[in-house]
Amino acid sequence: AQSVTQPDIHITVSEGASLELRCNYSYGATPYLFWYVQSPGQGLQLLLKYFSGDTLVQGIKGFEAEFKRSQSSFNLRKPSVHWSDAAEYFCAVGGSFGNEKLTFGTGTRLTIIP
Amino acid sequence: GAGVSQSPSNKVTEKGKDVELRCDPISGHTALYWYRQSLGQGLEFLIYFQGNSAPDKSGLPSDRFSAERTGGSVSTLTIQRTQQEDSAVYLCASSSGGRGLWGYTFGSGTRLTVV
Repeated sequence: AQSVTQPDIHITVSEGASLELRCNYSYGATPYLFWYVQSPGQGLQLLLKYFSGDTLVQGIKGFEAEFKRSQSSFNLRKPSVHWSDAAEYFCAVGGSFGNEKLTFGTGTRLTIIP
Repeated sequence: GAGVSQSPSNKVTEKGKDVELRCDPISGHTALYWYRQSLGQGLEFLIYFQGNSAPDKSGLPSDRFSAERTGGSVSTLTIQRTQQEDSAVYLCASSSGGRGLWGYTFGSGTRLTVV
């Protein structure tokens, strides 16, 4: 069965500082990996996705993530956070052809302080 | 439409009543998904539609939950005899090409409160 672990429930970062949100997955084959962001009262928005190829993927809003197969990780990074990045972030894993379902982690809430 | 539309945005119901939640996906999106988001629980998969059929409804928590999709478009999630543990935000998502792997587009959700 596929699963996702986001070990950090809540992270606080100063505006302008760098950010890394952790995601570990469990999946029996090549995973398809996603990061979504949910702002207060909003639906989820896709930040970036990894299917294959280059292990460093770029997304919207200046975010990037690195796939590390040996560590079963797909951590999200941003060099310099902005106050508008305060939100809930979800990592998700999906399977290969025929498995349509995405399995989400429990999320990491990001707070930005001035 | 331009995005995934869900209605109502908020619903308060008494325990034991039935509720219907509606999802209007992006026009042309063949795949539609329902998830439930409870406080501190992340997103829980409920059911997936491809066209009007549901190849995967493994996430429906009990037989009180059902869903249908008509015309390859609008979907309705019905919860019968609601219980307090059904309180959550119900999210709908759609995707094109029948493959959710290109990323879902989510609606803003229906917040259900059972009192």
